[in-house]
Amino acid sequence: EAQLVESGGGLVQPGASLRLSCAASGFTLRSYAMNWVRQAPGKGLEWISYISSTSVTIYYADSVKGRFTISRDDVRNSLYLQMNSLRDEDTAVYYCARDRGTYKLGGFDIWGQGTMVTVSS
Amino acid sequence: DIQLTQSPTFLSASVGDRVTITCRASQGISNYLAWYQQKPGRAPKLLIYAASTLQSGVPSRFSGSGSGTEFTLTVSSLQPEDFATYYCQQLNSYPRFTFGGGTKVEIK
Repeated sequence: EAQLVESGGGLVQPGASLRLSCAASGFTLRSYAMNWVRQAPGKGLEWISYISSTSVTIYYADSVKGRFTISRDDVRNSLYLQMNSLRDEDTAVYYCARDRGTYKLGGFDIWGQGTMVTVSS
Repeated sequence: DIQLTQSPTFLSASVGDRVTITCRASQGISNYLAWYQQKPGRAPKLLIYAASTLQSGVPSRFSGSGSGTEFTLTVSSLQPEDFATYYCQQLNSYPRFTFGGGTKVEIK
């Protein structure tokens, strides 16, 4: 069964850094583009970053551009999100999500359980 | 940027009801739209992609329709397990995605 498991969340102060990990199992990560999506407490879903299967194409939402970095290690079957200069408004549950792989006719078919990031002094 | 507006934001319904949720895009997005269901404390689950194609394993009481700027998600007969929040997502600007604000379906 295809599965994603996030880790690395926690409580940090404003301005700090944190690295999230997403471990894939049950499928070959290198065959898929991947995304990070976050959800602030009581709010809706916000897509924040995409990485293609080859890592050639990377995109970020304006809200995190210049502060967050997405990467992948297909040998370790893992996806990462390096988050720097964290702000209060980055407080959210962070999900990794698999792209179905059918371009605009796709969607995110596998999601992790999420990891909570709290930014507070 | 493409904006998605869902309506209603909140819906109260009974088991067995037919329920329809609308998602409007700020510009035409062809059929590049997906729908998700999210239950409290859980990750979203893909229900429909390409506006009307049911994801594998999703019950047939769920259906999607629309093209261009207006889309609907319909549950033909609401079941107890369907009480959740539903989100639409546009893929027209792939791979820069946008989600709608969500529609919470609660028990009347």
